[in-house]
Parts: sequence; C-alpha cells; structure tokens
Amino acid sequence: GQQLNQSPQSMFIQEGEDVSMNCTSSSIFNTWLWYKQDPGEGPVLLIALYKAGELTSNGRLTAQFGITRKDSFLNISASIPSDVGIYFCAGHSGNTPLVFGKGTRLSVIA
Amino acid sequence: DAGVIQSPRHEVTEMGQEVTLRCKPISGHDYLFWYRQTMMRGLELLIYFNNNVPIDDSGMPEDRFSAKMPNASFSTLKIQPSEPRDSAVYFCASSLRAPGQSGNTIYFGEGSWLTVV
Repeated sequence: GQQLNQSPQSMFIQEGEDVSMNCTSSSIFNTWLWYKQDPGEGPVLLIALYKAGELTSNGRLTAQFGITRKDSFLNISASIPSDVGIYFCAGHSGNTPLVFGKGTRLSVIA
Repeated sequence: DAGVIQSPRHEVTEMGQEVTLRCKPISGHDYLFWYRQTMMRGLELLIYFNNNVPIDDSGMPEDRFSAKMPNASFSTLKIQPSEPRDSAVYFCASSLRAPGQSGNTIYFGEGSWLTVV
C-alpha cells in the first residue's frame, strides 16, 4: 500500500523562527492534507491541497502540492508557543482512503 | 456546527472485557471512518462506511474487532474480548465526499482514549 514519509520526526525551535516540514509518497497522490494534533485532541485540518503545484496559505501557514504529485511541504512562519503539537501530512492516491505520515512533533522554546 | 462526536473520551477496562466506542458523524456526511492511533504505528485506518455500508474493513486487526453503522448518525466500534495491546486512541472521522474525490476533506472527532489493563 501507499506509504508516506514525513520529516523531520521532531523539531525544537526558538519562538519567532520559521519551520518547514515535508512529506513524500511512493505513489502519485491527488490530494494532500495537513493536520495538527494538540495533546489529548483529535487531528484538526489546517490546509487542503487538490492540484499539483497548488500553493495555499492559512495565516502563518503555507503548504504546497508538489509538481510531481509525490510530495508536499508545510511552512510555518514566525512560530509562536501555541504552534506546539504534532503535524501530520495525509493524502489520497486514487480513490483510496486517507493515509497518514507518522507526524512531526514541534516544540517551540520561548 | 457540531463536529464528529465520540464517546467515551476515556476508558480504562480490564483485559477480557467488552469495549464499545461510539461515534456520531457530522450531519449529512455519507462517509464514516474509524482510525486507531498508537505511538508505534501512527494513524491506521480500521474500517470505513459509505451510506451505512462497510466498504473496506481490511484494517480491522482481528475478529475481536467489529464495527457497525445502524443508521446515518451513529456507529460503534466494539472490541470483545479486549487485550492490553488494544490500548490506543480510537478516532472516528467523517467526510461528505468519497475518498480521493476532488475537494474532499475528512473531519476527526476528539478520540476515545482506551487503556486495557
């Protein structure tokens, strides 16, 4: 089945720094979604991407659907303490259900 | 608008007991998913339904797990008998459109945190 490789696994950054994380797949995807999970909560959708090359922003977050359709990245600018959490990429290949990366655990040092 | 509602939020049970997790999808969503999250394996799809009919249950670990969707607004995931290795967070999610359909988005509940001792 499809596999998603998400990196880095964890990040420790200073408040105010920019963050970048990415996801690659072994097959072509037609949808990329980025979620954030806070401790004790379920994943919350941040950004959805539906077309190759699409670049979408949500506040300080920006995500892109790679041209090859096998990768996506998420950037967070000017990080703040509430950005702490686990970020997951997820995607659809064809009409298969959503598959998830293993997550990037973000820690922000004030 | 109400999101996906799950219950219980937390459950601690003894090995061998039956566990029933409940989910109410977002009204109007035709697709319902059950996922399991563990540290080792991340988020894994267990089963999903379309219009109350199970479509793909290939992720269900073994016969001890069963899921039903008696109507459009309710689903259960049952584990009988439960074992310590079933300890995980179980998420229910729903979507309006089919997996992979352009514009589709999946919304998650807050999860049921299960501990089997």
